[in-house]
Amino acid sequence: TQLLEQSPQFLSIQEGENLTVYCNSSSVFSSLQWYRQEPGEGPVLLVTVVTGGEVKKLKRLTFQFGDARKDSSLHITAAQPGDTGLYLCADPSGAGSYQLTFGKGTKLSVIP
Amino acid sequence: DVKVTQSSRYLVKRTGEKVFLECVQDMDHENMFWYRQDPGLGLRLIYFSYDVKMKEKGDIPEGYSVSREKKERFSLILESASTNQTSMYLCASRPGPLNTEAFFGQGTRLTVV
Repeated sequence: TQLLEQSPQFLSIQEGENLTVYCNSSSVFSSLQWYRQEPGEGPVLLVTVVTGGEVKKLKRLTFQFGDARKDSSLHITAAQPGDTGLYLCADPSGAGSYQLTFGKGTKLSVIP
Repeated sequence: DVKVTQSSRYLVKRTGEKVFLECVQDMDHENMFWYRQDPGLGLRLIYFSYDVKMKEKGDIPEGYSVSREKKERFSLILESASTNQTSMYLCASRPGPLNTEAFFGQGTRLTVV
């Protein structure tokens, strides 16, 4: 199973600040997904990136896939309390394409 | 609306009991998963299935088994529950392989005493 390393593990910021979280691997990803999990709920898909160098935007969230497809970042502009949650990156195409494996996540707290 | 339903939100069982966690999806998805989630360890894959009666071990299958007799239902079985299996268990499904979106249930908080 490909190992996905996420950093930082915890992040606590004030409302209005910008932040970036990271997902890295020593191996090349075929593609990569980002999910957000709110307290008491299951994770929900935010985005899938497929092409090296790809940038996708979802309102104040910007996702980037590294040129070599070994890393990805999630940047949040002007964080809001509603952004609070656990951000997980995932490899959706492991082990013959049917396996879905997650990193340990970044727990984000946005303080009003 | 897409729905993945886990049979219990909270469960308390005794050490040594056989425990069944049930998951049902209403989307005709091929691919189903069971994870456990523990603080600081993220979501760890226990088992997954890509078709009826087909199952594959994930990263931490020891102490668990699964059953998929019908496409919509994927059951996780703890043959003899132990305290180190106290955890949040999450079920997920997706239409097929690769980049399709996975949909999750709300989780079952299992406590083994």
